[in-house]
Amino acid sequence: DQQVKQNSPSLSVQEGRISILNCDYTNSMFDYFLWYKKYPAEGPTFLISISSIKDKNEDGRFTVFLNKSAKHLSLHIVPSQPGDSAVYFCAASGSNDYKLSFGAGTTVTVRA
Amino acid sequence: ETGVTQSPTHLIKTRGQQVTLRCSSQSGHNTVSWYQQALGQGPQFIFQYYREEENGRGNFPPRFSGLQFPNYSSELNVNALELDDSALYLCASNRENQETQYFGPGTRLLVL
Repeated sequence: DQQVKQNSPSLSVQEGRISILNCDYTNSMFDYFLWYKKYPAEGPTFLISISSIKDKNEDGRFTVFLNKSAKHLSLHIVPSQPGDSAVYFCAASGSNDYKLSFGAGTTVTVRA
Repeated sequence: ETGVTQSPTHLIKTRGQQVTLRCSSQSGHNTVSWYQQALGQGPQFIFQYYREEENGRGNFPPRFSGLQFPNYSSELNVNALELDDSALYLCASNRENQETQYFGPGTRLLVL
């Protein structure tokens, strides 16, 4: 059963504009959320994370927002750059859990 | 600081054979997790090793087994390979009590 869902398989955005990636989860025991970026032929690279005690975390051009009541999180990339073109995975874990549960990924294409 | 490394990068096997994949954890990390990523999907948790013991297992059959060594490196063994085992196998490591996992580049396995 898919506990983490990324309902948009792809996103195309113009360079310099904002990219917004969405993620929904069903397991209320999840309390730590991460975003990874993956280029072809490479492993996922950690981008940013957020704990359930916060509703926002920012790191440079990347901001993650968490809405616990809606079981929804989003990743904002501002401004989008050509090097941001990749597959982005949302992942979640629980405090007493040892595994990451991943969404299916969203492919972002940044157009020049 | 050395990141997570995996070997080999690519592997071709035939149905029924056995395979061993290897992973060296990032410096200072004592926990290793293995994931299987099929085409078009997010990574699926196989199992995790901590202090040379299995510390949790996903929904994979017993023919998937593993080891962790005193230097925290790890092996994933798959017996009686099936065509559906064709996938990217990812190793991730983290420090004890740290929730963020860092991934290696993966091993691409093709079963014919």
